Order: sequence, then structure tokens, then C-alpha cells
Amino acid sequence: EPEVTQTPSHQVTQMGQEVILRCVPISNHLYFYWYRQILGQKVEFLVSFYNNEISEKSEIFDDQFSVERPDGSNFTLKIRSTKLEDSAMYFCASSDPTSDYEQYFGPGTRLTVT
Amino acid sequence: DAKTTQPTSMDCAEGRAANLPCNHSTISGNEYVYWYRQIHSQGPQYIIHGLKNNETNEMASLIITEDRKSSTLILPHATLRDTAVYYCIGNFGNEKLTFGTGTRLTIIP
Repeated sequence: EPEVTQTPSHQVTQMGQEVILRCVPISNHLYFYWYRQILGQKVEFLVSFYNNEISEKSEIFDDQFSVERPDGSNFTLKIRSTKLEDSAMYFCASSDPTSDYEQYFGPGTRLTVT
Repeated sequence: DAKTTQPTSMDCAEGRAANLPCNHSTISGNEYVYWYRQIHSQGPQYIIHGLKNNETNEMASLIITEDRKSSTLILPHATLRDTAVYYCIGNFGNEKLTFGTGTRLTIIP
């Protein structure tokens, strides 16, 4: 069964450093998403991406964040200058517009900023 | 997206049917009801969705009231692996998902 994969599973970085989180969505899906979940809190939407551009972003997704689909398979989230408050689980998801858009999530990347 | 209301927590005995309710009285006519769950700190997992008709798949059944103001997710034979937080989400389809606090379901041996 196809699944969304994410790498790395855990990333530790120092405050101010850049990080890139990687996702491989399900191959025939066209919509891509990033969400995050701070420990003990709700899952929060960050950004959605369709047709090689951002379709929606939340207030959290400021100028420090960017997304890219550099080739036909990867979908990345970059945080330019990490802050302590960026520590969270980051989940990638993808959906297929031909089947009611149910979103399939990856296992997540735990980002720890020290 | 429609505001949804779910109980904070529920228990269910292993092997019994788990019935998780959700109120969504402000749901729009073309807004789907989606159910997801999150097991511990894993990524959310899609379970089932519906618009007007009841739906069933290999994981669960979804019963939507005729007025669409509420629904019930049914796990027919709950196992310990069904212990998770279950989210009921109203959504038009190709949109962000807005997660609430969900229902923490504990399956008791």
C-alpha cells in the first residue's frame, strides 16, 4: 500500500540554523501539505501546495518558512533560521483530487531546536 | 469549516463496538465529515468520510443523521490498537484540515 515517507525521523539543530525536512508524497497525489504539532498541543496546519505553488498558508508560515517540490517526488519544508519555539513534530500529507481529497500523513519528523 | 464538538474521552471494552459521536450542527450542505485518528505521536491516519449517506470501509462505519447535524463513527470490534485520539472534521475537500482536541478513546482489555 502506498504511503507518505518523511526524513529524517528526528532532527536536532541549534537555534539560528537552517533545516530542511523532506517528504515523499504518494506518487499520484497532487495536493501536498505540511502540519506541525507542538508537544501536547493540537495538530496545526502550516501550508498547502498545488500545481507548484502555495495554495494556502497559515499565520505560522512566515518568511522563515518555505516549501519546494524540487523534482517529481520530493516535497520539502525549509526553516531558514530556527527558533526554540519551532521544536515540534512536523507532518507531511498528500491527497488525490480524484478521491474526495482524503489526506494521507507521513510518520513525522521530530525537530528539536536547542 | 464547520465547528465540531466531541466528547473529551471515552472508554470501550476490547472486542466491543466503539461508538464515537460528533456534533456538527453548522455544517454546510456540501461539506464532508471526515474522521481521522492519531495513535500516540504518529501521523494522523485517515479513517473514513461521508457527505449524506452512511459509509463503511474496512476500518469503520460512519452514520450521519438525516439532518447532517451529527454523526457517529463506529469501530465494530475494538482492539487495543484502536486506542488513539479520534478527530471529526468538517471539510469541503481540497482544504487544510483543522484539528480540534478530538476524543481520546481508550480500549480496555
